[in-house]
Amino acid sequence: GAGVSQSPRYKVAKRGQDVALRCDPISGHVSLFWYQQALGQGPEFLTYFQNEAQLDKSGLPSDRFFAERPEGSVSTLKIQRTQQEDSAVYLCASSTRQGPSYEQYFGPGTRLTVT
Amino acid sequence: AQKVTQAQTEISVVEKEDVTLDCVYETRDTTYYLFWYKQPPSGELVFLIRRNSFDEQNEISGRYSWNFQKSTSSFNFTITASQVVDSAVYFCALRNSNDYKLSFGAGTTVTVRA
Repeated sequence: GAGVSQSPRYKVAKRGQDVALRCDPISGHVSLFWYQQALGQGPEFLTYFQNEAQLDKSGLPSDRFFAERPEGSVSTLKIQRTQQEDSAVYLCASSTRQGPSYEQYFGPGTRLTVT
Repeated sequence: AQKVTQAQTEISVVEKEDVTLDCVYETRDTTYYLFWYKQPPSGELVFLIRRNSFDEQNEISGRYSWNFQKSTSSFNFTITASQVVDSAVYFCALRNSNDYKLSFGAGTTVTVRA
């Protein structure tokens, strides 16, 4: 079946613009995660959904970052008033079940460049 | 809090050589899960292996093998007889039993030359 998909793959925004990044998880996957990966670094956790409930948003760097998953499938990560430090690859992952032992399947990411 | 350290930034080998990637972790939990992921130039993180903290048996899966040692908090990963297609960034990651997020190391870039 299809893997995790993300769109757009590349986004260039001028500083101050709002952006919306979309994630389509693997069908039926309960858990959905967003990570931020700066150049040359490992991914850093942003937020976690179980179905439509956002259970953990401790990794969101500021109140300019907002994520939602209203129907428990597709998720959107929104960044308001983008800053240059927001430039990174944003990765989405989904997992078939709850629990820490189940591996997360990652999408190809959205590369955001803020100019 | 947990932390994953990958001290090797880059490794370059010639095809057919073995490559061992080091990973050291820190966690206060007694039950946790360790992972290795591969990130090729396309950008997508690909799951390779998972290990539970309560099972220190080391295994081999094809050309991949791992050495998990709880006493030294290490989870090293070896690619045997490397191939050019193995060129990628490899990440070690940790997940505690009472948590859902993965904590990643900074990654090791592996370049396999023909």
